[in-house]
Amino acid sequence: DAGVIQSPRHEVTEMGQEVTLRCKPISGHDYLFWYRQTMMRGLELLIYFNNNVPIDDSGMPEDRFSAKMPNASFSTLKIQPSEPRDSAVYFCASSLTGNIQYFGAGTRLSVL
Amino acid sequence: KNEVEQSPQNLTAQEGEFITINCSYSVGISALHWLQQHPGGGIVSLFMLSSGKKKHGRLIATINIQEKHSSLHITASHPRDSAVYICAVTSGGGADGLTFGKGTHLIIQP
Repeated sequence: DAGVIQSPRHEVTEMGQEVTLRCKPISGHDYLFWYRQTMMRGLELLIYFNNNVPIDDSGMPEDRFSAKMPNASFSTLKIQPSEPRDSAVYFCASSLTGNIQYFGAGTRLSVL
Repeated sequence: KNEVEQSPQNLTAQEGEFITINCSYSVGISALHWLQQHPGGGIVSLFMLSSGKKKHGRLIATINIQEKHSSLHITASHPRDSAVYICAVTSGGGADGLTFGKGTHLIIQP
């Protein structure tokens, strides 16, 4: 398997624009996680899915953030409208129930 | 909410030294994870443990559930071990999101 695949790897956008981050989990994994990493706050959980259903979205910072998982092979994290304070590295990870999480390479987002 | 504390924050050592990184948490957990983040930014899971001790190559992870404490040891350290080591915990049977420590930045000098 190619591992967890995230796209794009880098995204530069202007404040107010919509940003969509994409993630393809490892085939067969039933959990998918979205994390954000900043210098100030470190790594934080945003939301996670089990069998495509959102289980805990308490880490989503604001209504500007939304995440979907329309099928077992694909998830998106959308920010609309984006703000400079959303600049961070966004990681997607997947796992099989109760096992270690495999991380994607991350998307580095810069909002100008 | 679980509070995860790591020490030290930064560690510089010479090649060959024995390294210990510590992690403590505030609330009971179902599993503790040790992760490695390379200078390029990628994150790799090293260990997931809920009791006792695990070993993989030169890396050893231990956990004391009663004391809410874990340690990561590196034997015969090498410059390629230079990375950020992150402790994280889960509370929901292992099948929920991670709560992370701030990480330990390790530099091994030749």
